Amino acid sequence: AAGVIQSPRHLIKEKRETATLKCYPIPRHDTVYWYQQGPGQDPQFLISFYEKMQSDKGSIPDRFSAQQFSDYHSELNMSSLELGDSALYFCASSPTSTASSYGYTFGSGTRLTVV
Amino acid sequence: AQKITQTQPGMFVQEKEAVTLDCTYDTSDQSYGLFWYKQPSSGEMIFLIYQGSYDEQNATEGRYSLNFQKARKSANLVISASQLGDSAMYFCAMRLYSGTYKYIFGTGTRLKVLA
Repeated sequence: AAGVIQSPRHLIKEKRETATLKCYPIPRHDTVYWYQQGPGQDPQFLISFYEKMQSDKGSIPDRFSAQQFSDYHSELNMSSLELGDSALYFCASSPTSTASSYGYTFGSGTRLTVV
Repeated sequence: AQKITQTQPGMFVQEKEAVTLDCTYDTSDQSYGLFWYKQPSSGEMIFLIYQGSYDEQNATEGRYSLNFQKARKSANLVISASQLGDSAMYFCAMRLYSGTYKYIFGTGTRLKVLA
């Protein structure tokens, strides 16, 4: 079965550079979520999109922006990277069904290292 | 405050034995979902089991069962017949709804299965 696809899997950037992370949700999943998981930490919610519109916002820095496109894929843009941005970035998708008992489907994550 | 608490940073269990990973939660919402995810060293987040707040029976999925005690606000994960491949980080998460779904994760428990 198709899963959530994230690219790239690994990314190394220097301080003050920009990075773009991509997420392709499971077909027919119209909601996308982004999470940041620092080393040894639990995932922290960044932002979510439903039907190409931002639906919720968490602890996302102003240096980050994200959008969902017409094909439902999403991109997380990160500018002026800082060392503290080094983390595993998860994308997850879900259908809007309120009866879903299977939670999110997570992608494998993008491991961003800022040097 | 809405919060998930996992008080065991690390656990050891002997292969083939059962182990219980603790999770307590705090929310004033009447409707919520409780999830357990497994995160192996490779980093991906794998859904294990779900318990709805209105479910009267404890959820079970193969070797995983969720000991749901609503009055105590606890949702412990029980893994029976532990296998070496169960060694991983385990996250308890609570799904809340306020227009969109949002997950709150605990800080995780690292389980090591010993041969």
